[in-house]
Amino acid sequence: SQKIEQNSEALNIQEGKTATLTCNYTNYSPAYLQWYRQDPGRGPVFLLLIRENEKEKRKERLKVTFDTTLKQSLFHITASQPADSATYLCAFSGGYQKVTFGTGTKLQVIP
Amino acid sequence: GAVVSQHPSWVICKSGTSVKIECRSLDFQATTMFWYRQFPKQSLMLMATSNEGSKATYEQGVEKDKFLINHASLTLSTLTVTSAHPEDSSFYICSAQEGQEQNNEQFFGPGTRLTVL
Repeated sequence: SQKIEQNSEALNIQEGKTATLTCNYTNYSPAYLQWYRQDPGRGPVFLLLIRENEKEKRKERLKVTFDTTLKQSLFHITASQPADSATYLCAFSGGYQKVTFGTGTKLQVIP
Repeated sequence: GAVVSQHPSWVICKSGTSVKIECRSLDFQATTMFWYRQFPKQSLMLMATSNEGSKATYEQGVEKDKFLINHASLTLSTLTVTSAHPEDSSFYICSAQEGQEQNNEQFFGPGTRLTVL
């Protein structure tokens, strides 16, 4: 079965630096890969979606890459701010309707 | 963006009682709604998918008689946890999307914290 791994349970980074989060998967490449932000005690908030045939997607300070050869997606936050501190989840949707989530990486941006 | 609400935001109940959680799409029609459960420091686990007007599709290992899902209208889905036990204590989150296409964005509710004593 498909397994999704987010490399770090937690990541600390200095304000102003670029945060890079990794999402790896096994088996087949998903048709769609999504990144969400989740704050404590709240539901996830959608950030970006990238399709299997896309290499990169950008939205303001966010960038997502999708490498089907490495079976990996990278999520970058440039010029990180303390307000970016949250848990970030990657999620897959393949040939089915449902979305499968990774366990998340808790990002802490230190002022 | 579209807004999804959940009610209640938290609930404490005694073991053996039933609890109903509501999920509403406030400004769009949600053809499909999803119910997730999240335990501390774990990811969201899909429990079931419901399409308006039809029976919910449950994930493997989720008891359909224990977790009753009703999606009676395009703006409301309910999850009832029947005969709740302490192991059912968790964070329950719903999401909603327009249409049934898998690339349609899902909008998540704020979650409901259930504590069973």
